[in-house]
Amino acid sequence: KQEVTQIPAALSVPEGENLVLNCSFTDSAIYNLQWFRQDPGKGLTSLLLIQSSQREQTSGRLNASLDKSSGRSTLYIAASQPGDSATYLCAVMTRNTDKLIFGTGTRLQVFP
Amino acid sequence: DTGVSQDPRHKITKRGQNVTFRCDPISEHNRLYWYRQTLGQGPEFLTYFQNEAQLEKSRLLSDRFSAERPKGSFSTLEIQRTEQGDSAMYLCASSLVELPYEQYFGPGTRLTVT
Repeated sequence: KQEVTQIPAALSVPEGENLVLNCSFTDSAIYNLQWFRQDPGKGLTSLLLIQSSQREQTSGRLNASLDKSSGRSTLYIAASQPGDSATYLCAVMTRNTDKLIFGTGTRLQVFP
Repeated sequence: DTGVSQDPRHKITKRGQNVTFRCDPISEHNRLYWYRQTLGQGPEFLTYFQNEAQLEKSRLLSDRFSAERPKGSFSTLEIQRTEQGDSAMYLCASSLVELPYEQYFGPGTRLTVT
């Protein structure tokens, strides 16, 4: 059974710092891994999707990497801003299933 | 707006009442998913459809829950005889049936059972 873990559960950093959020999963037979952002009381916004054959994806100040063999992904946020404050969720789609399995998220606060 | 939409955004109901939520997926997407999210947790899968066929249901989906997608377009999720434990955010997502299977989420329906 696929399990997804995110560390740390919460993170508070000053504006301008580069930071790394971690995601690990137990079953490496995946189709893809998605990173989402969720603001309080809102739905999920897709940030990046990495297919199982890929090693990383980049969008603006965000870079996500995938090491399928070790069951790990990282989300790197460069030059953090207060507007980046949100919960970041990692989710995987395991092969032969059609659903996403989510971690519990990392709650990020960036203060001015 | 061509994204996933959900209605209502918020619902407050009394224990024992029935509620129904609606999800409209991205128009060309043939897969539609329902997830439930409680405070401080990640979303958990409930059920999904491919076109009008319901292909999988989680054991989280008790007999009080039923979902439909009658014409392969919008979907409804009904909860009968609501309980306080049903209070959660109900999220809908849609995707294509092809790689990379990226799921796009709607804004969610926040249910509060008093």
